[in-house]
Amino acid sequence: QKEVEQNSGPLSVPEGAIASLNCTYSDRVSQSFFWYRQYSGKSPELIMSIYSNGDKEDGRFTAQLNKASQYVSLLIRDSQPSDSATYLCLSGNTGKLIFGQGTTLQVKP
Amino acid sequence: DGGITQSPKYLFRKEGQNVTLSCEQNLNHDAMYWYRQDPGQGLRLIYYSQIVNDFQKGDIAEGYSVSREKKESFPLTVTSAQKNPTAFYLCASSLGTRGSKNIQYFGAGTRLSVL
Repeated sequence: QKEVEQNSGPLSVPEGAIASLNCTYSDRVSQSFFWYRQYSGKSPELIMSIYSNGDKEDGRFTAQLNKASQYVSLLIRDSQPSDSATYLCLSGNTGKLIFGQGTTLQVKP
Repeated sequence: DGGITQSPKYLFRKEGQNVTLSCEQNLNHDAMYWYRQDPGQGLRLIYYSQIVNDFQKGDIAEGYSVSREKKESFPLTVTSAQKNPTAFYLCASSLGTRGSKNIQYFGAGTRLSVL
């Protein structure tokens, strides 16, 4: 069974801190990795995509990929209360992608 | 206004009834997907389609059926065989299925409940 695993949390950080969200995957042929944010009762929205080893930065967000360790992470700098949501990791190869169960992030003012 | 439209927003099913959830996209995307989300859980893939007139089962296809007769439409039928259909159903589409074309965009979802 190919899986994507995340710590369900909740992960609680103070406003202005760095939030670190982690994801591991079991399918070694996975080529595409995505982080989505989902507010309660809403549909997921794309935060970051990453396809090669290393870091990718976009504003306050940095995605990190290590294919040898089968590990992908999302760092959120200067966390804001509006970042409080569930963050979903998505990985896979052609066509069929698999979501992790999500990590709930709480940013406390 | 481009995007993915799901309807209805809320749906109620009676025992033994089949219901159909609509998903339409005007993004000219080749691939479309149906996911189910239960409270506090991640998204589980029901069916996906990479091209018109072709679709594949996901991880939880039992009790569901789909069709892909047009590029822009991918309706999901929840049959009476699905004994626990109460969930949040999300439709998504992507330009393709490789690399950056695999980025999925989601509709607003349909909440299905059993009467």
